[in-house]
Amino acid sequence: GAGVSQSPSNKVTEKGKDVELRCDPISGHTALYWYRQSLGQGLEFLIYFQGNSAPDKSGLPSDRFSAERTGGSVSTLTIQRTQQEDSAVYLCASSFDPSVSYNEQFFGPGTRLTVL
Amino acid sequence: AQTVTQSQPEMSVQEAETVTLSCTYDTSESDYYLFWYKQPPSRQMILVIRQEAYKQQNATENRFSVNFQKAAKSFSLKISDSQLGDAAMYFCAYCAGTYKYIFGTGTRLKVLA
Repeated sequence: GAGVSQSPSNKVTEKGKDVELRCDPISGHTALYWYRQSLGQGLEFLIYFQGNSAPDKSGLPSDRFSAERTGGSVSTLTIQRTQQEDSAVYLCASSFDPSVSYNEQFFGPGTRLTVL
Repeated sequence: AQTVTQSQPEMSVQEAETVTLSCTYDTSESDYYLFWYKQPPSRQMILVIRQEAYKQQNATENRFSVNFQKAAKSFSLKISDSQLGDAAMYFCAYCAGTYKYIFGTGTRLKVLA
């Protein structure tokens, strides 16, 4: 299995609860990205990790959102005190070193988050 | 600011026919990449085709081809001999620099048997 994997596939939670979404990138990919896809919308960039560099967090919508990447591999996106507007599909992607002129991002199947 | 616009929320095509999905973008960059991604009901985003802005030749991948008009900032996707498996959401995306992709809002393609 060489693709990007994400877990859980679906998550239903109650408003105010915290959730953790996991992403396993393709082995050897140094770059990892999180996107949010709300109903009827395109993909919204959230955060980007590259190697040991400081992540680009410019897309995180609020301080309730955070992400970490341990050992340059697995990443966890955490949403604290979830709100109904957080309901969306959260997609993870990985790629080789994006400092190369072209890098294809490979996407996982996403986690559908529903906040009741 | 860089933006990507897909003005067709939904399109339909008869099986075996040809359909064209539209995409326009706005940028002040001269070198960038454009992509079309397919997202079937499984949610897995799949790269269909990419175009490098400095290449004038339109990219082609089997039944998929693009019409890239750099001056007009237009990047349309043509699907020939449409198949039932082509039914999906199609997203146009732009990337300049290293990593940030900007996506359009998508076009849902229905293929009619």
